[in-house]
Amino acid sequence: AQKITQTQPGMFVQEKEAVTLDCTYDTSDQSYGLFWYKQPSSGEMIFLIYQGSYDEQNATEGRYSLNFQKARKSANLVISASQLGDSAMYFCAMREGAGGTSYGKLTFGQGTILTVHP
Amino acid sequence: KAGVTQTPRYLIKTRGQQVTLSCSPISGHRSVSWYQQTPGQGLQFLFEYFSETQRNKGNFPGRFSGRQFSNSRSEMNVSTLELGDSALYLCASSLDRGPGNTIYFGEGSWLTVV
Repeated sequence: AQKITQTQPGMFVQEKEAVTLDCTYDTSDQSYGLFWYKQPSSGEMIFLIYQGSYDEQNATEGRYSLNFQKARKSANLVISASQLGDSAMYFCAMREGAGGTSYGKLTFGQGTILTVHP
Repeated sequence: KAGVTQTPRYLIKTRGQQVTLSCSPISGHRSVSWYQQTPGQGLQFLFEYFSETQRNKGNFPGRFSGRQFSNSRSEMNVSTLELGDSALYLCASSLDRGPGNTIYFGEGSWLTVV
């Protein structure tokens, strides 16, 4: 069963506009962490934002925020005021707790390619 | 504070050869994991080490192996290389294994098998 699903293979956004990248996850574990990473063409995986399963507030990091809807098992990334440098591949990932099969490791979605137009 | 360092960054090998990739985690991080990324399969987990012990292993043949040293540095080895092993190999580290520990990645090692 797919644990992380990113349904948008590609997204386009105009510079300075906001964009939402979708992510749904599947786990029976109560304790888990959700992560978003940015991967430019150079290959480096850059950590953007983290949301814990017990966190009541949505995580925010600068222009990045995570829209966490636990009941729906979704963790969408919102990028505000898009910049040309935001063009990259974006991955949603999950790390489960000790009761999960992916304890200690990250399970990734297929990724979304974001293109920011000037 | 230095990030995760991977060497070499780029390498070309011939089928049948073996290769060793190195990873130095962020200082103080004890969990090190490896991932393979290919256009067709996406990001796949290879293995995870914690306190010099392999704690988790992905679905890869025995040609893929790794180890972790007492200073948390890690190496992975691929023997009898195949064309399909061409990929970006990413190393990642975190303080501990739990879901609340952020995982940071290195720049990756681009392996081409010809």
